[in-house]
Amino acid sequence: DGGITQSPKYLFRKEGQNVTLSCEQNLNHDAMYWYRQDPGQGLRLIYYSQIVNDFQKGDIAEGYSVSREKKESFPLTVTSAQKNPTAFYLCASGMTEQFFGPGTRLTVL
Amino acid sequence: SQQGEEDPQALSIQEGENATMNCSYKTSINNLQWYRQNSGRGLVHLILIRSNEREKHSGRLRVTLDTSKKSSSLLITASRAADTASYFCATGLAGGTSYGKLTFGQGTILTVHP
Repeated sequence: DGGITQSPKYLFRKEGQNVTLSCEQNLNHDAMYWYRQDPGQGLRLIYYSQIVNDFQKGDIAEGYSVSREKKESFPLTVTSAQKNPTAFYLCASGMTEQFFGPGTRLTVL
Repeated sequence: SQQGEEDPQALSIQEGENATMNCSYKTSINNLQWYRQNSGRGLVHLILIRSNEREKHSGRLRVTLDTSKKSSSLLITASRAADTASYFCATGLAGGTSYGKLTFGQGTILTVHP
């Protein structure tokens, strides 16, 4: 099946820890994106990558980092510098129409 | 930011009725898209309308775009309980590093009662 997967589905982080969220796609898309969604809100862009080995900051990149070493993979690290990381994180791929993964819900304990 | 604003924030209707959601944005766009999100899930693309189009249909969905007013509407006809979800508009720019990048509105929560 073609699609985009995210893992884990739920993630719990202690304060001061870095955590990495996985995003994998087999749709052969060059472009991939990370969004953050807070309760009752729309999506805000964290980082995006239009091609392997290149990525740009979105609107709320502070406290986050990414890498794009392979076309299929675009992992997001939530660092301890992100002061309010509890949110629902969505990964997407595609250049015009975007295809979304099922999301990772991150909670800080 | 050219984030879209959606109206209404919440809409509650009976099955069989039509649902209309509106989206406004601030700057020139290349395209406008509508997505659906079921609770706790990822978004699903519904329909895309380009800046040179005025109306588009897909099944029970009808989208209009008025670039002079910087607004769009999504009409779902003959709604079903399964249409219950949040609906988001997203605007896309043309060219350069912004190509492909979308800006999402706050969404409209639609509840369809059986």
